[in-house]
Amino acid sequence: GENVEQHPSTLSVQEGDSAVIKCTYSDSASNYFPWYKQELGKRPQLIIDIRSNVGEKKDQRIAVTLNKTAKHFSLHITETQPEDSAVYFCAARHGATNKLIFGTGTLLAVQP
Amino acid sequence: EPEVTQTPSHQVTQMGQEVILRCVPISNHLYFYWYRQILGQKVEFLVSFYNNEISEKSEIFDDQFSVERPDGSNFTLKIRSTKLEDSAMYFCASSGLWTATEAFFGQGTRLTVV
Repeated sequence: GENVEQHPSTLSVQEGDSAVIKCTYSDSASNYFPWYKQELGKRPQLIIDIRSNVGEKKDQRIAVTLNKTAKHFSLHITETQPEDSAVYFCAARHGATNKLIFGTGTLLAVQP
Repeated sequence: EPEVTQTPSHQVTQMGQEVILRCVPISNHLYFYWYRQILGQKVEFLVSFYNNEISEKSEIFDDQFSVERPDGSNFTLKIRSTKLEDSAMYFCASSGLWTATEAFFGQGTRLTVV
């Protein structure tokens, strides 16, 4: 069935360092890959997304890469700041439906 | 900026009782969803709704669950007879016309079944 795996489950970095979170999806028909940031007790907020016809997308300190052949996509955060600390979820959407399949989340802790 | 709104923010209910969770999606969106998140776990898809009918549902969405769009603005999730394991954060989301547009999430309703 459809599945999205996400690693690592926890990630601790020093302020200013880079953070990378990786996801793998199983359904080759997936065509849309959003990343959500969730602070404690709050809603998931979309921070960046990528469509299957693009290999990379960047928005200031955040970038996402997609390797369709390997069915991998990754989130890259550069120059991390304490306010980047949160749980990050990747997700994949099948082209024929609109449901999102979420990864298991990564708790990012940025140490000042 | 338009946003999805949900009420109530927190609902406590006795096991076996019915609950209705309410959502107002973004006004020009056509796709509506319910997701749930058990504490400390990932977000799980429950159901999607388009053109006044369910377009897809997960195995979690059994006969105890139903959704309705009673008017032009509200979208509701009903759990007929709540169980302890229904305790979770329930998120409503909506997205626009095209299939690959982003989904916007509401702030969630924390359901506690006691």
